[in-house]
Amino acid sequence: SQWGEENLQALSIQEGEDVTMNCSYKTYTTVVQWYRQKSGKGPAQLILIRSNEREKRSGRLRATLDTSSQSSSLSITGTLATDTAVYFCGRHDTNAYKVIFGKGTHLHVLP
Amino acid sequence: AQTIHQWPVAEIKAVGSPLSLGCTIKGKSSPNLYWYWQATGGTLQQLFYSITVGQVESVVQLNLSASRPKDDQFILSTEKLLLSHSGFYLCAWSEGINQDTQYFGPGTRLLVL
Repeated sequence: SQWGEENLQALSIQEGEDVTMNCSYKTYTTVVQWYRQKSGKGPAQLILIRSNEREKRSGRLRATLDTSSQSSSLSITGTLATDTAVYFCGRHDTNAYKVIFGKGTHLHVLP
Repeated sequence: AQTIHQWPVAEIKAVGSPLSLGCTIKGKSSPNLYWYWQATGGTLQQLFYSITVGQVESVVQLNLSASRPKDDQFILSTEKLLLSHSGFYLCAWSEGINQDTQYFGPGTRLLVL
């Protein structure tokens, strides 16, 4: 998972499979944002989830936020080759303008 | 619709030379602006943010400076480049103050030799 001391994560799956990526954090946060970055491009936000939501869906994407375990996850169902990208989770610091991103999960979906 | 433009697209510079990267946001009044740096294959490191014209806050010290001369413009610069400055520089904007979505530009690729 991201944010901890773990190395950058890489996943390789077949198109059509489901995948879940995780983030864990040490300080309390009320907002987590998930971004996708395709090679050579700027990141694009996928989902913003707040602590009062616990779960949020957008198409094939589902994000969760568990403040008790201080963790967040992003699931993609029925992956496509076009989902190949690096996925980052970002949390806001106590200063709302400071965003701390995780190390990222490299997802490679094989056609 | 809002658009974010970064220039140049890519740069190759010598160690010790100066640098200036730019970012412009169109279609949005008084955005919050951000600069990020990303090493190849690495995470996004926030460098600066600005809430209003003329006001810039530093998040991390990397021998870089930033300025916001206009409401829609954010500049990243240094007088002396280091090898460690190589990477991908991203500008982003957000609308509100309540931990809102950040919208990223296309980025500038910098190689310092």
